[in-house]
Amino acid sequence: ETGVTQTPRHLVMGMTNKKSLKCEQHLGHNAMYWYKQSAKKPLELMFVYNFKEQTENNSVPSRFSPECPNSSHLFLHLHTLQPEDSALYLCASRRATSTRETQYFGPGTRLLVL
Amino acid sequence: GESVGLHLPTLSVQEGDNSIINCAYSNSASDYFIWYKQESGKGPQFIIDIRSNMDKRQGQRVTVLLNKTVKHLSLQIAATQPGDSAVYFCAEETGANNLFFGTGTRLTVIP
Repeated sequence: ETGVTQTPRHLVMGMTNKKSLKCEQHLGHNAMYWYKQSAKKPLELMFVYNFKEQTENNSVPSRFSPECPNSSHLFLHLHTLQPEDSALYLCASRRATSTRETQYFGPGTRLLVL
Repeated sequence: GESVGLHLPTLSVQEGDNSIINCAYSNSASDYFIWYKQESGKGPQFIIDIRSNMDKRQGQRVTVLLNKTVKHLSLQIAATQPGDSAVYFCAEETGANNLFFGTGTRLTVIP
């Protein structure tokens, strides 16, 4: 276990549904990330939060809405998704310092949009 | 943006042999590199990292080599075991503190 948990692990939703993905880290980190992993593609960075402030939005469509209420929790709210949004959504966290620190990943949420 | 690529998408090795997984990166400003292992149904797991002021770093059964001249990174796994079968990703980081990942190499260990 990496200390980063994600729920649910699997999710099937229709294009008109609204759902949320949850990430929680127990490592005392202060930076959290959302990534999208599609088949045969590199991991795509979606959002970055440093000390609860969003510092990066990597041109993600507005149907994905992140929320970071505190440094331990991160949500990804989903609405009116498209089938091409089906992927593994990974959360990561790390200690943001002036030197490089490793990101630790959760197990991911496997999302299928019908 | 940065481009991180892998020379081979798949690699098969005999159990007990050494494995070498290669990675090319394009941004000469990248100063931090990480290798991750991803098993089926799991998130990427940190294996080893290296900073640009080093050219070699060793861990338990793993060694990472960095050649900044040709922008090349490799992961060597000694005495490969069936549990090493997974997809391996290299990632690079520059000043923005964000990681850029390659597409991954699938390592299959043949018993």
